[in-house]
Amino acid sequence: GENVEQHPSTLSVQEGDSAVIKCTYSDSASNYFPWYKQELGKGPQLIIDIRSNVGEKKDQRIAVTLNKTAKHFSLHITETQPEDSAVYFCAASTKNSSYKLIFGSGTRLLVRP
Amino acid sequence: NAGVTQTPKFQVLKTGQSMTLQCAQDMNHNSMYWYRQDPGMGLRLIYYSASEGTTDKGEVPNGYNVSRLNKREFSLRLESAAPSQTSVYFCASSENRHTEAFFGQGTRLTVV
Repeated sequence: GENVEQHPSTLSVQEGDSAVIKCTYSDSASNYFPWYKQELGKGPQLIIDIRSNVGEKKDQRIAVTLNKTAKHFSLHITETQPEDSAVYFCAASTKNSSYKLIFGSGTRLLVRP
Repeated sequence: NAGVTQTPKFQVLKTGQSMTLQCAQDMNHNSMYWYRQDPGMGLRLIYYSASEGTTDKGEVPNGYNVSRLNKREFSLRLESAAPSQTSVYFCASSENRHTEAFFGQGTRLTVV
């Protein structure tokens, strides 16, 4: 089945700097790649997603890139702010696995003021 | 504007006890999911229901059962709790496949 690996597990950046989180997936048939943000004590919330027919998607300070050949996708956060501090999860799903969402292990992002 | 509601929020069980985690969504979503979250392991899918009347196993189904009672409700049952089932459990729903999944606030379960 699908396997998603996420790096790094923790990331600390200075406010205003950029943060990049990377994920790789194993099933070449995967075609949907969402990113979730989880704040302390809450459930994950979708922040951006990308489908396999698109190489890049941007929403204000957040962007996601997808490289289907290499089977990896990345989350880019620019001009980081303290409220960006949270745990971020990538995920992938494919028709081959009945569209089940398989998550990475998470990245704890700390933005230092 | 409740979204996905899980009950209870916290629970402590003794080994061998049983319990049911309840989940309800008010967004008329077709698909519902149960995940468990453990430190360093992300969210692992236990069971999911693509539509009312259907359920399928996820990555870690052993020790659990589910019921899709109707379109709104999807419950998770632990028949004989074990310490390895100590975790935070999340229910989620989505309109269809490959659409945004909305998560509940989670249930923190401790099995002693």
